[in-house]
Amino acid sequence: DAGVTQSPTHLIKTRGQQVTLRCSPISGHKSVSWYQQVLGQGPQFIFQYYEKEERGRGNFPDRFSARQFPNYSSELNVNALLLGDSALYLCASSKNAAGDYEQYFGPGTRLTVT
Amino acid sequence: GESVGLHLPTLSVQEGDNSIINCAYSNSASDYFIWYKQESGKGPQFIIDIRSNMDKRQGQRVTVLLNKTVKHLSLQIAATQPGDSAVYFCAENRNSGYALNFGKGTSLLVTP
Repeated sequence: DAGVTQSPTHLIKTRGQQVTLRCSPISGHKSVSWYQQVLGQGPQFIFQYYEKEERGRGNFPDRFSARQFPNYSSELNVNALLLGDSALYLCASSKNAAGDYEQYFGPGTRLTVT
Repeated sequence: GESVGLHLPTLSVQEGDNSIINCAYSNSASDYFIWYKQESGKGPQFIIDIRSNMDKRQGQRVTVLLNKTVKHLSLQIAATQPGDSAVYFCAENRNSGYALNFGKGTSLLVTP
């Protein structure tokens, strides 16, 4: 079975630009969560989507937005990029909405903002 | 403040030895815990989880122990192998909330 897939693998943007990251969950999983991982730190929760609805949001500015499609894939958008947005963006999928269930991560998208 | 943290940032063990990675949490409402392994350039890989109604759970070569009294979690890896070299994160969830809260991680280095 395919795991969680993310695209692109790497991305380089300049300050002020906008970026869209994509995620496909494990087949049968309806929940997608997004995390930001800065080098040397643990992942930080950004969003969770379940059945196409936002169920949870972390402490991130409104420049960050996301959506989930009918096929349960998801996109994360970041506007007006800052240097501090450089990080590994991880997508995790799970069968249900609650966080107390196994979440499986994709390989991540490495975003570099120059 | 509320946090999930690890006692040691790095751990070096010899191949074949057992490894113990520790994690402390501060919120007594935390009721679900996961250990992840992250190799360089990859996403976190699920290892094992445990709920607060359990004290111990075993997987293949791994055991997680939960001590709710002192808010402490540990991951034991038996017969550590070079492929076990990675950063290990503990993460917690409370009250079926949506987010996993991660600690900073422990780097495990397995030497021959």
